[in-house]
Amino acid sequence: GENVEQHPSTLSVQEGDSAVIKCTYSDSASNYFPWYKQELGKRPQLIIDIRSNVGEKKDQRIAVTLNKTAKHFSLHITETQPEDSAVYFCAASEGTGGFKTIFGAGTRLFVKA
Amino acid sequence: GAVVSQHPSRVICKSGTSVKIECRSLDFQATTMFWYRQFPKKSLMLMATSNEGSKATYEQGVEKDKFLINHASLTLSTLTVTSAHPEDSSFYICSAGQGHEAFFGQGTRLTVV
Repeated sequence: GENVEQHPSTLSVQEGDSAVIKCTYSDSASNYFPWYKQELGKRPQLIIDIRSNVGEKKDQRIAVTLNKTAKHFSLHITETQPEDSAVYFCAASEGTGGFKTIFGAGTRLFVKA
Repeated sequence: GAVVSQHPSRVICKSGTSVKIECRSLDFQATTMFWYRQFPKKSLMLMATSNEGSKATYEQGVEKDKFLINHASLTLSTLTVTSAHPEDSSFYICSAGQGHEAFFGQGTRLTVV
């Protein structure tokens, strides 16, 4: 089955700096890669996603890149703000909401003011 | 976005009793729902795929007799933790997909004493 590796487990940055989180996946059948932000005690919230037919996607301060050949994808947050502090999970699935989603271990991001 | 409601949000039960957690898709129909378990500061681990009108599909290592799943309608899936023990204490989250996105319930924090 699918296995998703995520690094780093903890990331601390200064406000205004960029943060990069990297993930790899194992199943070449996976073609949908969402990223979730989870604040303490709350449900995960989708922040951005990318499909396998796209190499890069950007939404304001957040961007994702995907290298399907190498089976890795990354989340880039620019101009970080204290409210970006949370746990971020990458994930992979074979399709849309009807397919099971396998999560990475998570990255705890701290943005220092 | 679509709304997935999970109930209860918190439950404390005695060891040996059973607990039922409900997951409802409020404004869409979901033929498939997913149940995850999350330990403190850990990732979401997929437990099972709940299929409307048929048996759930369990991930390796998850005891189907321990974690009973019923998906009797297109808007409701239930997870029953049977004969709960302290090691079952965890955060349980369901998700349901609509279109290209999976939406999460708010989670249930189960404490077995």
